[in-house]
Amino acid sequence: DVKVTQSSRYLVKRTGEKVFLECVQDMDHENMFWYRQDPGLGLRLIYFSYDVKMKEKGDIPEGYSVSREKKERFSLILESASTNQTSMYLCASSPPLGGSYEQYFGPGTRLTVT
Amino acid sequence: QKEVEQDPGPLSVPEGAIVSLNCTYSNSAFQYFMWYRQYSRKGPELLMYTYSSGNKEDGRFTAQVDKSSKYISLFIRDSQPSDSATYLCAMDNAGNMLTFGGGTRLMVKP
Repeated sequence: DVKVTQSSRYLVKRTGEKVFLECVQDMDHENMFWYRQDPGLGLRLIYFSYDVKMKEKGDIPEGYSVSREKKERFSLILESASTNQTSMYLCASSPPLGGSYEQYFGPGTRLTVT
Repeated sequence: QKEVEQDPGPLSVPEGAIVSLNCTYSNSAFQYFMWYRQYSRKGPELLMYTYSSGNKEDGRFTAQVDKSSKYISLFIRDSQPSDSATYLCAMDNAGNMLTFGGGTRLMVKP
């Protein structure tokens, strides 16, 4: 059974804190993604990684950074959390270009910044 | 204007009804069209996937793509309470990066 896991289901942080969200996949996928999901706005891509140590900005990278030191693990970092980063964060993985276009999602982390 | 538009609903139907969910898009480069289903407090999961125009059927679900109108649909026959979820359309121009609609919340009442 394929699996994408995220380190926390719920997280509450204070404004200005540095926040780490972790994602691990067990499918040996090359591609990994971080999205945020907000009501009415759907899923918006923050960052994308197609290989270890490689990353590409998505539609809304401002205020975020990422790290991919191992193939199975993709971390999202909020350098200085702000209230407008309160959201549901979803991690996904997929096979490389030319393979299936299916993205497999984790259960999400609901982050609240106060 | 968003690249992919989807009515947020909620759409409430009785059990057994035929459900029609739709998305419109503006980017003619999109070639791959997907429907994801997302249950409450879960991540999205792929339901249907089609390439270019045409229909695809899988059990009670039919996905339809009309590239000339930039319009895609998902039909659910004999809807069940277990179909209650948010349905997200997603599109890809073969770059392996998906563009999602905002999702339609569906409620099927017993």
